[in-house]
Amino acid sequence: KNEVEQSPQNLTAQEGEFITINCSYSVGISALHWLQQHPGGGIVSLFMLSSGKKKHGRLIATINIQEKHSSLHITASHPRDSAVYICAVGSGGSNYKLTFGKGTLLTVNP
Amino acid sequence: NAGVTQTPKFRVLKTGQSMTLLCAQDMNHEYMYWYRQDPGMGLRLIHYSVGEGTTAKGEVPDGYNVSRLKKQNFLLGLESAAPSQTSVYFCASTRRGPGMASTDTQYFGPGTRLTVL
Repeated sequence: KNEVEQSPQNLTAQEGEFITINCSYSVGISALHWLQQHPGGGIVSLFMLSSGKKKHGRLIATINIQEKHSSLHITASHPRDSAVYICAVGSGGSNYKLTFGKGTLLTVNP
Repeated sequence: NAGVTQTPKFRVLKTGQSMTLLCAQDMNHEYMYWYRQDPGMGLRLIHYSVGEGTTAKGEVPDGYNVSRLKKQNFLLGLESAAPSQTSVYFCASTRRGPGMASTDTQYFGPGTRLTVL
């Protein structure tokens, strides 16, 4: 079973700050997913990546397959970025399924 | 497209009652999943399906059954609800990507908040 560890568990930042959330996993994977969940809200997929780096607007996700580690960066953070960010790793070939981290609660203050 | 929808959004049950949660997707996705989300635990996989007519157990399947009679629907049943099944349930779907070992982004439903008294 893949163990997925996220750090930090909670993060408070001031508007405009650069944010980094980390994710480590224990065994090989097919892909890693970053998800966003606003309080009381649904879950939205931000990124799926299996190598290198992806960028959407102010969000950047990187993965190092050899080190079994991924980071999610938010540049110029804004209060609307306040949410839980969840890392999940996918494996299983044709029986593909995800194992999730416990999430990082980000609060961005104005 | 409506994406992934879940019915109902909220439900309160008494211990021992049964119910079925319905998940529907209109994206022609092969893979569908049922998760539960509990405070401090993260999302955990209950059951999943890799295609119409197939189902498989996930991490926490006990007390639940599922069926996938149609490609667009994935039903989660609780035969005899217990307080330990109080949770928020999420359904998700994804298409099979290029190659058998690859899938695409998962799309989540809005969730069903279930309380068992």
